[in-house]
Amino acid sequence: DTAVSQTPKYLVTQMGNDKSIKCEQNLGHDTMYWYKQDSKKFLKIMFSYNNKELIINETVPNRFSPKSPDKAHLNLHINSLELGDSAVYFCASSQDSGGHNEQFFGPGTRLTVL
Amino acid sequence: DAKTTQPTSMDCAEGRAANLPCNHSTISGNEYVYWYRQIHSQGPQYIIHGLKNNETNEMASLIITEDRKSSTLILPHATLRDTAVYYCIVRGLQSGSARQLTFGSGTQLTVLP
Repeated sequence: DTAVSQTPKYLVTQMGNDKSIKCEQNLGHDTMYWYKQDSKKFLKIMFSYNNKELIINETVPNRFSPKSPDKAHLNLHINSLELGDSAVYFCASSQDSGGHNEQFFGPGTRLTVL
Repeated sequence: DAKTTQPTSMDCAEGRAANLPCNHSTISGNEYVYWYRQIHSQGPQYIIHGLKNNETNEMASLIITEDRKSSTLILPHATLRDTAVYYCIVRGLQSGSARQLTFGSGTQLTVLP
């Protein structure tokens, strides 16, 4: 009964490949997020998304794109992977994007680009 | 960019209170103080939030100074499982990116047996 789940937990791939990370939440939340945590442990928001708006952090390359087949899922697609994309990616969700609703985080996906 | 300043690391003896400080001198009137923590190899976990009054829940207490320029998270009886990086975050409720959580470098709390 995991609240926010991500697959895969580990992903090792070559430069130039295209990959996806999946995220699912069973909390009935309206808003989902993607964060990137680099090797220095800084955790940065990449996207927040609900059915009304997509907010993109301006530092995120357009090789990254969120795709939401339904309210419970927000997948992260990455095209033309680069070495610098190696990081841990966390998905999160909240009841909505406003208010004080706490964000619930998934366990993370460790991406290694060789 | 994070609007908060926290010590890089702190130690606390098991069973004692852990007091984690945070400076947020540029906080504006409609911004809240949030605390999250990240246990090693896990996703961040919400702890507590407040505006200007002190707050308490089952996990911790949050003490915010009267001028709101600083706050302290208190774990009343720290256990080894509380060893984690603790993030103090200032967040507004306006629309768009201002509502997003901006994590700084946090404080690595180590609870010692």
